[in-house]
Amino acid sequence: SYELTQPSSVSVSPGQTARITCSGDVLAKKYVRWFQQKPGQAPVLVIYKDIERPSGIPERFSGSSSGTTVTLTISGAQVEDEADFYCYSAPDNNLEVFGGGTKLTVL
Amino acid sequence: EVQLVESGGGLVKPGGSLRLSCAASGSTFSNAWMSWVRQAPGKGLEWVGRIESKTDGGTIDYAAPVKGRFTISRDDSKNTLYLQMNSLKTEDTAVYYCRLWFGELYGFDLWGQGTLVTVFS
Repeated sequence: SYELTQPSSVSVSPGQTARITCSGDVLAKKYVRWFQQKPGQAPVLVIYKDIERPSGIPERFSGSSSGTTVTLTISGAQVEDEADFYCYSAPDNNLEVFGGGTKLTVL
Repeated sequence: EVQLVESGGGLVKPGGSLRLSCAASGSTFSNAWMSWVRQAPGKGLEWVGRIESKTDGGTIDYAAPVKGRFTISRDDSKNTLYLQMNSLKTEDTAVYYCRLWFGELYGFDLWGQGTLVTVFS
């Protein structure tokens, strides 16, 4: 089976840089997406193809990749960025996988 | 602007059935890949299954926990995605989201607001 591993929580003060990692063997060969989910809301795509940012997503959100680990970086995190973040990949043509999720606290 | 609206959630007893629908506005539905993703109360996101666009082959795939019990289908003439859920278990209790996207190379990835399915006796 394929697994994506994330830290359960990350905490930063406003204005600091938040980094959330996602690890998995499949990431050496497959792209990752990152989704942000605020309480009571549907997930929103913030990064795709490891490093690309969809239109409308603030520039403070960025992605990077190194081997089997990808990282979502929020530069100058703001209080409104507080949310759960999920990495996601499609490691196989007939399978999709989400990471366990990381709760980002900004206070 | 494309929007997704799920419906059909509710209360059902173990062993029962339910059919969810996801209606899409806009003209992009037939070219899109459509997925179902669920989220149990207080838990993370879990992939349920996916149906590709007909132009990409229309392949349907399921996650192991639902294979053989759930069926995904689409009606492109109605811009609607379906999830037929049979032999429901208490562990199927979750908010079910539909998702519209075009594959991993593209940055458009739209989710509905979700519909709650509760399986309890």
